[in-house]
Amino acid sequence: EVQLLESGGGLVQPGGSLRLSCAASGFTFSSYAMTWVRQAPGKGLEWVSSISGGGGGTYYADSVKGRFTISRDNSKNTLFLQMNSLRAEDTAVYYCAKDTPGGAFFDIWGLGTMVTVSS
Amino acid sequence: DIQMTQSPSSLSASVGDRVTITCRASQGINNYLAWYQQKPGKVPKLLIYSASTLQSGVPSRFSGSGSGTDFTLTISSLQPEDVATYYCQQYNSAPLTFGGGTKVEIK
Repeated sequence: EVQLLESGGGLVQPGGSLRLSCAASGFTFSSYAMTWVRQAPGKGLEWVSSISGGGGGTYYADSVKGRFTISRDNSKNTLFLQMNSLRAEDTAVYYCAKDTPGGAFFDIWGLGTMVTVSS
Repeated sequence: DIQMTQSPSSLSASVGDRVTITCRASQGINNYLAWYQQKPGKVPKLLIYSASTLQSGVPSRFSGSGSGTDFTLTISSLQPEDVATYYCQQYNSAPLTFGGGTKVEIK
Protein backbone atom coordinates (compact mmCIF):
# COMPACT_ATOMS: atom_id res chain seq x y z
CA GLU A 1 0.00 0.00 0.00
CA VAL A 2 1.29 3.44 -0.92
CA GLN A 3 1.64 5.47 2.25
CA LEU A 4 3.12 8.72 3.56
CA LEU A 5 3.49 9.36 7.28
CA GLU A 6 4.58 12.72 8.64
CA SER A 7 6.12 13.37 12.04
CA GLY A 8 7.94 16.11 13.89
CA GLY A 9 5.21 18.67 14.40
CA GLY A 10 4.54 20.38 17.70
CA LEU A 11 4.45 23.62 19.61
CA VAL A 12 7.36 25.99 19.11
CA GLN A 13 8.02 29.59 20.10
CA PRO A 14 8.34 32.33 17.48
CA GLY A 15 11.86 32.31 16.11
CA GLY A 16 12.31 28.64 16.88
CA SER A 17 12.98 25.66 14.65
CA LEU A 18 11.39 22.33 13.82
CA ARG A 19 12.27 19.49 11.47
CA LEU A 20 9.45 17.61 9.85
CA SER A 21 9.87 14.13 8.41
CA CYS A 22 7.74 12.14 6.00
CA ALA A 23 8.29 8.39 5.72
CA ALA A 24 7.25 6.92 2.40
CA SER A 25 6.37 3.32 1.59
CA GLY A 26 4.77 1.29 -1.17
CA PHE A 27 6.39 3.04 -4.14
CA THR A 28 9.84 3.76 -5.60
CA PHE A 29 10.49 6.90 -3.58
CA SER A 30 13.48 8.14 -5.57
CA SER A 31 11.48 8.18 -8.80
CA TYR A 32 9.11 10.91 -7.70
CA ALA A 33 9.28 14.56 -6.81
CA MET A 34 7.82 15.28 -3.40
CA THR A 35 6.08 18.31 -2.00
CA TRP A 36 5.05 19.94 1.27
CA VAL A 37 1.64 21.63 1.38
CA ARG A 38 0.26 23.38 4.45
CA GLN A 39 -3.17 24.34 5.68
CA ALA A 40 -3.66 26.95 8.39
CA PRO A 41 -6.57 26.29 10.77
CA GLY A 42 -9.84 26.85 8.92
CA LYS A 43 -8.04 28.00 5.78
CA GLY A 44 -7.21 26.67 2.34
CA LEU A 45 -4.25 24.79 0.93
CA GLU A 46 -0.89 26.49 0.37
CA TRP A 47 2.07 25.04 -1.51
CA VAL A 48 5.25 25.32 0.57
CA SER A 49 8.12 23.51 -1.17
CA SER A 50 8.98 20.78 -3.65
CA ILE A 51 12.03 18.65 -4.38
CA SER A 52 12.93 16.58 -7.42
CA GLY A 53 13.32 12.82 -7.23
CA GLY A 54 17.09 12.95 -7.06
CA GLY A 55 17.10 15.90 -4.69
CA GLY A 56 19.00 18.21 -7.03
CA GLY A 57 16.11 20.57 -7.65
CA THR A 58 14.40 22.43 -4.83
CA TYR A 59 11.62 25.02 -4.98
CA TYR A 60 10.07 27.26 -2.34
CA ALA A 61 7.15 29.58 -1.84
CA ASP A 62 8.24 33.17 -1.29
CA SER A 63 6.66 33.04 2.18
CA VAL A 64 9.20 30.45 3.37
CA LYS A 65 12.22 31.08 1.14
CA GLY A 66 15.38 31.53 3.18
CA ARG A 67 13.77 30.05 6.32
CA PHE A 68 12.74 26.53 5.25
CA THR A 69 14.88 23.85 3.63
CA ILE A 70 13.50 20.78 1.90
CA SER A 71 15.63 17.66 1.55
CA ARG A 72 15.29 13.93 1.11
CA ASP A 73 17.16 10.73 1.92
CA ASN A 74 16.33 8.26 -0.84
CA SER A 75 18.19 5.47 0.95
CA LYS A 76 15.70 5.81 3.81
CA ASN A 77 12.63 6.77 1.74
CA THR A 78 12.23 9.90 3.81
CA LEU A 79 11.40 13.52 3.02
CA PHE A 80 12.32 16.37 5.35
CA LEU A 81 11.41 19.98 5.95
CA GLN A 82 13.74 22.00 8.15
CA MET A 83 11.86 25.04 9.41
CA ASN A 84 13.81 27.90 11.00
CA SER A 85 12.85 31.39 12.18
CA LEU A 86 9.28 30.24 12.61
CA ARG A 87 6.49 32.79 12.74
CA ALA A 88 2.92 32.71 14.00
CA GLU A 89 1.72 32.64 10.39
CA ASP A 90 3.52 29.33 9.85
CA THR A 91 0.98 27.67 12.16
CA ALA A 92 -0.69 24.98 10.06
CA VAL A 93 -1.08 21.31 9.34
CA TYR A 94 1.82 20.31 7.11
CA TYR A 95 1.13 17.58 4.56
CA CYS A 96 3.69 15.77 2.50
CA ALA A 97 2.46 14.77 -0.92
CA LYS A 98 3.72 12.67 -3.79
CA ASP A 99 3.97 14.31 -7.19
CA THR A 100 2.94 12.39 -10.31
CA PRO A 101 4.86 11.70 -13.51
CA GLY A 102 2.30 13.84 -15.34
CA GLY A 103 3.01 17.02 -13.46
CA ALA A 104 3.18 18.81 -10.15
CA PHE A 105 -0.12 17.64 -8.80
CA PHE A 106 -0.49 15.18 -5.96
CA ASP A 107 -2.02 11.73 -5.97
CA ILE A 108 -0.95 10.60 -2.50
CA TRP A 109 -1.09 12.70 0.67
CA GLY A 110 0.05 11.99 4.20
CA LEU A 111 -2.20 12.50 7.20
CA GLY A 112 -0.40 15.68 8.12
CA THR A 113 1.44 16.97 11.18
CA MET A 114 0.39 20.06 13.12
CA VAL A 115 2.85 22.87 13.69
CA THR A 116 1.88 25.56 16.19
CA VAL A 117 4.03 28.66 16.55
CA SER A 118 3.10 30.52 19.71
CA SER A 119 4.64 31.96 22.82
CA ASP B 1 2.23 34.39 -9.53
CA ILE B 2 -0.92 32.87 -11.03
CA GLN B 3 -3.99 33.57 -8.92
CA MET B 4 -6.73 30.94 -8.84
CA THR B 5 -10.23 32.21 -8.05
CA GLN B 6 -12.99 29.78 -7.23
CA SER B 7 -16.70 30.49 -7.19
CA PRO B 8 -18.88 30.18 -5.34
CA SER B 9 -17.08 29.99 -2.01
CA SER B 10 -19.91 27.84 -0.70
CA LEU B 11 -23.09 26.27 -1.95
CA SER B 12 -25.98 24.23 -0.65
CA ALA B 13 -27.79 21.81 -2.92
CA SER B 14 -30.17 18.88 -2.68
CA VAL B 15 -29.27 15.24 -3.14
CA GLY B 16 -29.47 14.46 -6.84
CA ASP B 17 -28.81 18.03 -7.95
CA ARG B 18 -26.24 18.93 -10.57
CA VAL B 19 -23.51 21.04 -8.97
CA THR B 20 -21.01 23.22 -10.82
CA ILE B 21 -17.91 24.87 -9.36
CA THR B 22 -15.84 27.36 -11.34
CA CYS B 23 -12.12 28.06 -11.15
CA ARG B 24 -10.56 30.99 -13.00
CA ALA B 25 -6.83 31.51 -13.48
CA SER B 26 -5.33 34.99 -13.67
CA GLN B 27 -3.43 33.93 -16.79
CA GLY B 28 -3.55 31.00 -19.16
CA ILE B 29 -2.51 27.65 -17.71
CA ASN B 30 -3.25 25.44 -20.71
CA ASN B 31 -4.96 22.40 -19.14
CA TYR B 32 -2.57 22.08 -16.20
CA LEU B 33 -5.31 22.05 -13.61
CA ALA B 34 -6.18 19.59 -10.85
CA TRP B 35 -9.19 19.31 -8.58
CA TYR B 36 -9.13 17.96 -5.02
CA GLN B 37 -11.83 16.99 -2.56
CA GLN B 38 -11.28 17.47 1.16
CA LYS B 39 -13.90 16.02 3.44
CA PRO B 40 -14.23 17.50 6.94
CA GLY B 41 -11.25 16.50 9.07
CA LYS B 42 -9.72 14.47 6.26
CA VAL B 43 -6.80 14.66 3.84
CA PRO B 44 -7.21 16.15 0.35
CA LYS B 45 -7.97 13.61 -2.36
CA LEU B 46 -7.12 14.00 -6.04
CA LEU B 47 -10.26 13.91 -8.21
CA ILE B 48 -9.25 15.25 -11.63
CA TYR B 49 -6.04 16.25 -13.39
CA SER B 50 -5.22 17.73 -16.77
CA ALA B 51 -8.50 19.63 -16.31
CA SER B 52 -10.68 16.71 -17.34
CA THR B 53 -9.00 13.36 -16.61
CA LEU B 54 -10.68 11.44 -13.82
CA GLN B 55 -8.30 9.94 -11.27
CA SER B 56 -8.60 6.17 -10.91
CA GLY B 57 -11.33 5.16 -8.48
CA VAL B 58 -13.19 8.48 -8.55
CA PRO B 59 -16.93 8.12 -9.25
CA SER B 60 -18.02 9.02 -12.76
CA ARG B 61 -20.48 11.62 -11.47
CA PHE B 62 -17.45 13.91 -11.15
CA SER B 63 -16.22 15.60 -14.31
CA GLY B 64 -13.98 18.49 -15.25
CA SER B 65 -13.74 20.76 -18.23
CA GLY B 66 -12.04 23.88 -19.47
CA SER B 67 -8.75 25.14 -20.81
CA GLY B 68 -6.79 28.36 -20.75
CA THR B 69 -8.18 30.39 -17.86
CA ASP B 70 -11.67 29.03 -17.15
CA PHE B 71 -12.37 25.63 -15.66
CA THR B 72 -15.33 23.78 -14.21
CA LEU B 73 -15.84 20.90 -11.82
CA THR B 74 -19.27 19.28 -12.14
CA ILE B 75 -20.98 16.77 -9.89
CA SER B 76 -23.77 15.36 -12.02
CA SER B 77 -25.88 14.05 -9.16
CA LEU B 78 -24.92 15.24 -5.70
CA GLN B 79 -24.62 12.50 -3.06
CA PRO B 80 -24.44 12.86 0.73
CA GLU B 81 -20.83 11.60 0.70
CA ASP B 82 -19.87 14.52 -1.57
CA VAL B 83 -20.10 16.98 1.33
CA ALA B 84 -16.62 18.48 1.27
CA THR B 85 -14.52 21.46 0.29
CA TYR B 86 -13.23 21.36 -3.28
CA TYR B 87 -9.98 23.01 -4.38
CA CYS B 88 -8.51 23.66 -7.79
CA GLN B 89 -4.73 23.83 -8.29
CA GLN B 90 -2.67 25.02 -11.23
CA TYR B 91 0.59 23.31 -12.08
CA ASN B 92 1.43 25.24 -15.22
CA SER B 93 4.12 27.29 -13.53
CA ALA B 94 5.79 27.93 -10.19
CA PRO B 95 4.74 28.82 -7.63
CA LEU B 96 2.02 26.19 -7.57
CA THR B 97 -1.21 27.81 -6.46
CA PHE B 98 -4.56 26.64 -5.16
CA GLY B 99 -7.96 28.21 -5.34
CA GLY B 100 -9.58 29.36 -2.12
CA GLY B 101 -11.96 26.42 -1.99
CA THR B 102 -15.68 25.79 -2.45
CA LYS B 103 -17.59 24.27 0.44
CA VAL B 104 -20.41 22.00 -0.69
CA GLU B 105 -23.24 21.17 1.68
CA ILE B 106 -26.50 19.28 1.43
CA LYS B 107 -29.69 21.33 1.62
